[in-house]
Amino acid sequence: DAGVIQSPRHEVTEMGQEVTLRCKPISGHDYLFWYRQTMMRGLELLIYFNNNVPIDDSGMPEDRFSAKMPNASFSTLKIQPSEPRDSAVYFCASSLVPWEVFGYTFGSGTRLTVV
Amino acid sequence: KQEVTQIPAALSVPEGENLVLNCSFTDSAIYNLQWFRQDPGKGLTSLLLIQSSQREQTSGRLNASLDKSSGRSTLYIAASQPGDSATYLCAVKHNTDKLIFGTGTRLQVFP
Repeated sequence: DAGVIQSPRHEVTEMGQEVTLRCKPISGHDYLFWYRQTMMRGLELLIYFNNNVPIDDSGMPEDRFSAKMPNASFSTLKIQPSEPRDSAVYFCASSLVPWEVFGYTFGSGTRLTVV
Repeated sequence: KQEVTQIPAALSVPEGENLVLNCSFTDSAIYNLQWFRQDPGKGLTSLLLIQSSQREQTSGRLNASLDKSSGRSTLYIAASQPGDSATYLCAVKHNTDKLIFGTGTRLQVFP
């Protein structure tokens, strides 16, 4: 298994532009999570899905952020319009049910820089 | 609200030393606890997963213990090596599907 795959690895964009981050979870995993990591706040959960359905988006910072999971093998996190304070590393993780036993697998992350 | 704290925040030791990294959590009603390693500019790698019913887990030179009642976990690294240099994160799963991460310990092992 190739693990959780994220793209792009690095993204540099200008303020105001739309940014789309992509994630392919491990096949068969029922849960998908989007995290954001910054020096100031550490790792924060933004949103997670169970069987492609968003369960908790309380961590999404603003309406500028949106996430979708159109099928079991693909998810996107979109920021529109982007701002410099959105600069961070965004991680996707997936987990198999029952999660008590298997834990989480993280992707390599997307480093976003908004200038 | 679950809060996870790791002590120390940073640690620098010579090669060969045995290390203990600490993780504490405020709500002991957890389902499991996981230790991760993060290398600079990289993603997270899972090291050990301890279920709430377990007391410890071992993998090679790593040993993680869990004391739910006191809200503590330790990661023991035996005979440290320069390749162990990384940030170590603990994370707990509470009574939701969420994983709550600690603040991390940045470890440097010098030759």
